[in-house]
Amino acid sequence: AQSVTQLGSHVSVSEGALVLLRCNYSSSVPPYLFWYVQYPNQGLQLLLKYTTGATLVKGINGFEAEFKKSETSFHLTKPSAHMSDAAEYFCAVRDTGRRALTFGSGTRLQVQP
Amino acid sequence: DAGVIQSPRHEVTEMGQEVTLRCKPISGHDYLFWYRQTMMRGLELLIYFNNNVPIDDSGMPEDRFSAKMPNASFSTLKIQPSEPRDSAVYFCASSSSSGGTYNEQFFGPGTRLTVL
Repeated sequence: AQSVTQLGSHVSVSEGALVLLRCNYSSSVPPYLFWYVQYPNQGLQLLLKYTTGATLVKGINGFEAEFKKSETSFHLTKPSAHMSDAAEYFCAVRDTGRRALTFGSGTRLQVQP
Repeated sequence: DAGVIQSPRHEVTEMGQEVTLRCKPISGHDYLFWYRQTMMRGLELLIYFNNNVPIDDSGMPEDRFSAKMPNASFSTLKIQPSEPRDSAVYFCASSSSSGGTYNEQFFGPGTRLTVL
């Protein structure tokens, strides 16, 4: 079964600084990969997804992620953090033969003024 | 579209009581998922349906949990009897096997369950 590792349960950055949230998956076959964001007391919202094709994926709110097969990674980045980016971020993976998602443990992003 | 609708948003009950959580998926979606979120275990799949048929219920904790999908627009997750360790946020999500949003799961706002 697939697993997802998110390094760093808490990340703190200054407003305007680069955001880097790390995600590694375990699979010899490239799966489908997702990043979701969860604001307090809300459901999960899709930021971006990788299925096939271009390895650099652009999402909403200025976020992007790069699929690196050699590193089994799918790190999330944003060039300049905004206060409104403070939330919890989840990396998720879906096997090609299964519809359900396997989530990482989440990374809480704090943005300092 | 109204998105995935869950009710109630909050539920407080006492140990031993029956709890029923409800979900209305996005119209036209043929997959429905139930997830549970806790501090200890994070987000984990409980069960999912395709065209109203349960496909994978390996995440259902035990016999106290049951889920049904009587039609394409409604699903329930029932806990009977409830226990304090069932306290969590329960999310329902739906997805479509076709169209431009293929592979995307859309989540409801969740039901926060507290079992005293």
